[in-house]
Amino acid sequence: EPEVTQTPSHQVTQMGQEVILRCVPISNHLYFYWYRQILGQKVEFLVSFYNNEISEKSEIFDDQFSVERPDGSNFTLKIRSTKLEDSAMYFCASSRQGDTEAFFGQGTRLTVV
Amino acid sequence: GDSVTQMEGPVTLSEEAFLTINCTYTATGYPSLFWYVQYPGEGLQLLLKATKADDKGSNKGFEATYRKETTSFHLEKGSVQVSDSAVYFCALSTPSGGSYIPTFGRGTSLIVHP
Repeated sequence: EPEVTQTPSHQVTQMGQEVILRCVPISNHLYFYWYRQILGQKVEFLVSFYNNEISEKSEIFDDQFSVERPDGSNFTLKIRSTKLEDSAMYFCASSRQGDTEAFFGQGTRLTVV
Repeated sequence: GDSVTQMEGPVTLSEEAFLTINCTYTATGYPSLFWYVQYPGEGLQLLLKATKADDKGSNKGFEATYRKETTSFHLEKGSVQVSDSAVYFCALSTPSGGSYIPTFGRGTSLIVHP
């Protein structure tokens, strides 16, 4: 069964460093998303991506965040200068169409120290 | 904006007990509704969905009915098992600027004891 894969599963980084979280969406999906979940809290929408551009973003997705689909298969989230409060589980998701269910990856746990 | 409200957890039950996790939503337009489950240490998995009023989604013994009149999508299971212990997220998806953004509730932790 096709699935969304994310790497790494856990990343520890120092405050101020740049991190890139990687995702391989399901191959025939067209819509891609990043969410984050701070420990014990709700799943928060960050950004959606369609047709090689950002279609929606939340207020969380400020200038320190960026997304890219560099090669037609990977979908990356870059955090330019990490802060302690960026520590969270980051989930990538994809959907075939905009109104169908999103399939989620296993997540990347980011710890900023 | 669109939002989802779930009952606070944790919900603690004995095996074979009846489960209800309440979910209500606020949305403009006609959302699709989903329940996702997150087992310990894992990602989010779609459990069931309903795309229009009065639809019933079901999977693995879980059910939820899309009630437009009460804006609710409560999750039920007649007899829970220890393996059902997980966090359950209610979610909706509505069009926003041409795309659909799944919006999640806070999640409800379910603990099932033998």
